[in-house]
Amino acid sequence: DAKTTQPTSMDCAEGRAANLPCNHSTISGNEYVYWYRQIHSQGPQYIIHGLKNNETNEMASLIITEDRKSSTLILPHATLRDTAVYYCIVRPQTGANNLFFGTGTRLTVIP
Amino acid sequence: GAGVSQSPSNKVTEKGKDVELRCDPISGHTALYWYRQRLGQGLEFLIYFQGNSAPDKSGLPSDRFSAERTGESVSTLTIQRTQQEDSAVYLCASSLGRMGTQYFGPGTRLLVL
Repeated sequence: DAKTTQPTSMDCAEGRAANLPCNHSTISGNEYVYWYRQIHSQGPQYIIHGLKNNETNEMASLIITEDRKSSTLILPHATLRDTAVYYCIVRPQTGANNLFFGTGTRLTVIP
Repeated sequence: GAGVSQSPSNKVTEKGKDVELRCDPISGHTALYWYRQRLGQGLEFLIYFQGNSAPDKSGLPSDRFSAERTGESVSTLTIQRTQQEDSAVYLCASSLGRMGTQYFGPGTRLLVL
């Protein structure tokens, strides 16, 4: 199930952009890239998802490389409230019903 | 409602007792999922509902675990004869359809003494 690789942890200064990388070199053409985060003691929170085009919403931007083998989640101006574990998930359009959450990246925003 | 809600938020029970955990999905979401998260670990899939049917129960760890959904809305996860290893956060998620974005509730923290 482990289709993604993420760094275990990262730090980011408050107010700066946080760039969280994810490798998904075995992704297939019908699989989406989803990002969730989990703030301590809360349920996972959906952030953004994409197939091949870059996406942006009020929370973040998602940059997917042209070969789709990696992506980067960008939080443009990190705040202390963005400290969380960030999960990159590859999800097929058919098949598995559940999301597979790996170990994620623990992002710590530093004042 | 605005989001997925779960109750109770916390539950402490004694080993051997039965517990029921409730999930209220987002209104109109036909798909509903239960996951379990042990302390410091990732999410484990338990069961998936489409409407009131559960086409995928592959993650239920034993026959002590069961779940049902009624009215294409509320779902209840029941754990019989609880064991200490059942201690975890039980998370519910719902989505518009099977391939829709899953939105999670806050979870129920279960502690079995």
